[in-house]
Amino acid sequence: AQSVTQLGSHVSVSEGALVLLRCNYSSSVPPYLFWYVQYPNQGLQLLLKYTSAATLVKGINGFEAEFKKSETSFHLTKPSAHMSDAAEYFCAVRGLYTGFQKLVFGTGTRLLVSP
Amino acid sequence: GAGVSQSPSNKVTEKGKDVELRCDPISGHTALYWYRQSLGQGLEFLIYFQGNSAPDKSGLPSDRFSAERTGGSVSTLTIQRTQQEDSAVYLCASGIAGGGETQYFGPGTRLLVL
Repeated sequence: AQSVTQLGSHVSVSEGALVLLRCNYSSSVPPYLFWYVQYPNQGLQLLLKYTSAATLVKGINGFEAEFKKSETSFHLTKPSAHMSDAAEYFCAVRGLYTGFQKLVFGTGTRLLVSP
Repeated sequence: GAGVSQSPSNKVTEKGKDVELRCDPISGHTALYWYRQSLGQGLEFLIYFQGNSAPDKSGLPSDRFSAERTGGSVSTLTIQRTQQEDSAVYLCASGIAGGGETQYFGPGTRLLVL
């Protein structure tokens, strides 16, 4: 079984500050891990994904995440926040092998960016 | 089209009525998923279709929920005898099955049951 825990339902940063959104996973099989972003009244857009290749994954809009097996973490970071980054972010996990197709999502973290 | 489309974008219905939600996946995508996003439950998996295989219905919350996928393309999620707790955003996603495939999400259908 897989599960994801996102620490902090809300994170507030100032424009230009570091963004750090936390995600810890639990998986009985090697995981695939994903970060999605959701803007108001829109669907989910993939930011980046880990698929057992490089542990440091770079995504769109300057975001990146590092897979740390020892910490069972996949935290999302961005060096400098922009106002347009304000949105809700979801971490998700699925099993590596076929037969575990569904994504299991965390509860989401709302990122607030102030001028 | 370029992305996953869903219709209607918004649906208001009365308790006890049936509703149908439609999803048009990205052309060529063999995998199709339905999820539900609600305030109390977050994002929940509902059902998964892959090619001609039997769908994975393990996430459907009750027998009032059903879904079909015709011709390996368009999918319809049907909710019979709607209840107020069915109010949520219903999201459809499609992908190319295989290890680690990305699921591409549509904009969702916002359902409100009065």
